[in-house]
Amino acid sequence: EAGVAQSPRYKIIEKRQSVAFWCNPISGHATLYWYQQILGQGPKLLIQFQNNGVVDDSQLPKDRFSAERLKGVDSTLKIQPAKLEDSAVYLCASSLVRGSYEQYFGPGTRLTVT
Amino acid sequence: GDSVTQMEGPVTLSEEAFLTINCTYTATGYPSLFWYVQYPGEGLQLLLKATKADDKGSNKGFEATYRKETTSFHLEKGSVQVSDSAVYFCALSDPTGGSQGNLIFGKGTKLSVKP
Repeated sequence: EAGVAQSPRYKIIEKRQSVAFWCNPISGHATLYWYQQILGQGPKLLIQFQNNGVVDDSQLPKDRFSAERLKGVDSTLKIQPAKLEDSAVYLCASSLVRGSYEQYFGPGTRLTVT
Repeated sequence: GDSVTQMEGPVTLSEEAFLTINCTYTATGYPSLFWYVQYPGEGLQLLLKATKADDKGSNKGFEATYRKETTSFHLEKGSVQVSDSAVYFCALSDPTGGSQGNLIFGKGTKLSVKP
């Protein structure tokens, strides 16, 4: 079974630029999560999708971050414009059902904003 | 709100040493508790879990017991190997609490095992 795929693995941008991350969850997983992991901290949930609908985006900085999950499969997370404090690893995870603690994580995208 | 506190690292041990990584939690409801592991260059993986008080989760020689009286879920292994070198995250899920069942992670503890 293929795992959660993410791209790119690394990205370096200047502040005020925009960036997008892509995630392909495990086939058949209805729930998809985006987390932000700042260096030295644990992952923090940004947004949760159930199929192609948002069920929790309370921690998403909506003035600059946006996410979509078209057709309930792949998802993209966008930052526009980026700030220095957005430097972090962005993790995508998926689970078979909503509310399952058995989340499967991708390798993450490491973003550096200079 | 719900939170997890785990011992700061890094932790450096020799092969075959005993490992303990402390984790305590604060929750308003009745959480389930987890340990996730992140090997270098890989995504987080669920290592073990416990869903109610006094449950013991175990996997790959690691163990942790859900202690409600001390609000703790310490990770232990009797004899570590070099291949156990990774970052370990304690986490909780509290469906009846403010976090609505979402995973709340500690800051992670980096373990390095020397041959």
